[in-house]
Amino acid sequence: SQQGEEDPQALSIQEGENATMNCSYKTSINNLQWYRQNSGRGLVHLILIRSNEREKHSGRLRVTLDTSKKSSSLLITASRAADTASYFCATDGYDKLVFGAGTILRVKS
Amino acid sequence: DAGVIQSPRHEVTEMGQEVTLRCKPISGHDYLFWYRQTMMRGLELLIYFNNNVPIDDSGMPEDRFSAKMPNASFSTLKIQPSEPRDSAVYFCASSLLGANYGYTFGSGTRLTVV
Repeated sequence: SQQGEEDPQALSIQEGENATMNCSYKTSINNLQWYRQNSGRGLVHLILIRSNEREKHSGRLRVTLDTSKKSSSLLITASRAADTASYFCATDGYDKLVFGAGTILRVKS
Repeated sequence: DAGVIQSPRHEVTEMGQEVTLRCKPISGHDYLFWYRQTMMRGLELLIYFNNNVPIDDSGMPEDRFSAKMPNASFSTLKIQPSEPRDSAVYFCASSLLGANYGYTFGSGTRLTVV
């Protein structure tokens, strides 16, 4: 079963634009994580935000977390063609992560 | 570290045959996870180990699936007998301290059962 639900399912933007993806979840969490998956590859960990944090930055990535709304967003600024990938949010359930269905991002050059 | 290593990268087998997927986690990581990815069902957790002990196998679809972790540096996922609906990409991931930190995923094994 999937805890996180990403929105939108797919997103197509021009290089240089910002991309925003959202994630909603159902139960309480200790942390929420975002991953990227390039076509035919494994998932790569991008960023982890803990339940007591509201915002976190890593390079061109900005993640926010609103535990009252049970939602998170991932913002990629100044997107590049190399950012084309699927992006997944994952929430922790005890020791394990439960992944959402993902957002497919296409950045056109 | 070379990361999480999975083998084989691709496997094509006939229905009814036994399939064994292999995984070498990152040295020092105490958790190992097996996931399956399909278009229809997304990423599903099959089973995970902590310190080589299976903790939760509730995601294993049927008795045809089994997993072992004989030591800290090796795990296998076996399907016997295989069926066409088992076709998917199988990922192994390892982590330190479970879900408290990020997972490191392998490149996956693409399994096709014909």
